[in-house]
Amino acid sequence: AQSVTQLDSQVPVFEEAPVELRCNYSSSVSVYLFWYVQYPNQGLQLLLKYLSGSTLVESINGFEAEFNKSQTSFHLRKPSVHISDTAEYFCAVSDTNAGNMLTFGGGTRLMVKP
Amino acid sequence: DAGVTQSPTHLIKTRGQHVTLRCSPISGHKSVSWYQQVLGQGPQFIFQYYEKEERGRGNFPDRFSARQFPNYSSELNVNALLLGDSALYLCASSLSPNYGYTFGSGTRLTVV
Repeated sequence: AQSVTQLDSQVPVFEEAPVELRCNYSSSVSVYLFWYVQYPNQGLQLLLKYLSGSTLVESINGFEAEFNKSQTSFHLRKPSVHISDTAEYFCAVSDTNAGNMLTFGGGTRLMVKP
Repeated sequence: DAGVTQSPTHLIKTRGQHVTLRCSPISGHKSVSWYQQVLGQGPQFIFQYYEKEERGRGNFPDRFSARQFPNYSSELNVNALLLGDSALYLCASSLSPNYGYTFGSGTRLTVV
């Protein structure tokens, strides 16, 4: 079984400042790692994923995350946030042998202030 | 191309009633999963279906059931509704269980 801990329930930040949303996971097997974003009253949108290969993965809108196996972390970062990045962000893991059933963290609300 | 579509978008039911939620996957996707997202929490896995067979079940009571049809659409059924069943129910589809999932916008169920 896996578990995911998102260490911050809310992260307030000013526009154009950098941000890091933290995610730690626990698993006894190899995992795939995901970040999803959820805007108000909407479903989940995949932001980026780590399946294998390079431990640094990037999204098309400037976010990046780095898989750190020794620290069992997959923190999400963006060097300069915009008002439009205000949303709920979920980290998720799946067992590489369990057909991609996702275990989610509790979410981090990113609040970008002008 | 249409994404994952769910119906209805909103639903209000009374305790003890039964509800059916529907999901149409992206064309060509054969795997469908259901998740429950209670307000303020992350989604919780309920079921996964692939090629019309159940491939996984989360820690939910037997009041929850699902099925997948030959066209790969899916239904989630919940019997004897409780107030605690109030949540956003998300459907996600994928080409196969080992690919990434695309989520629909969800059905917001309110039990009163």
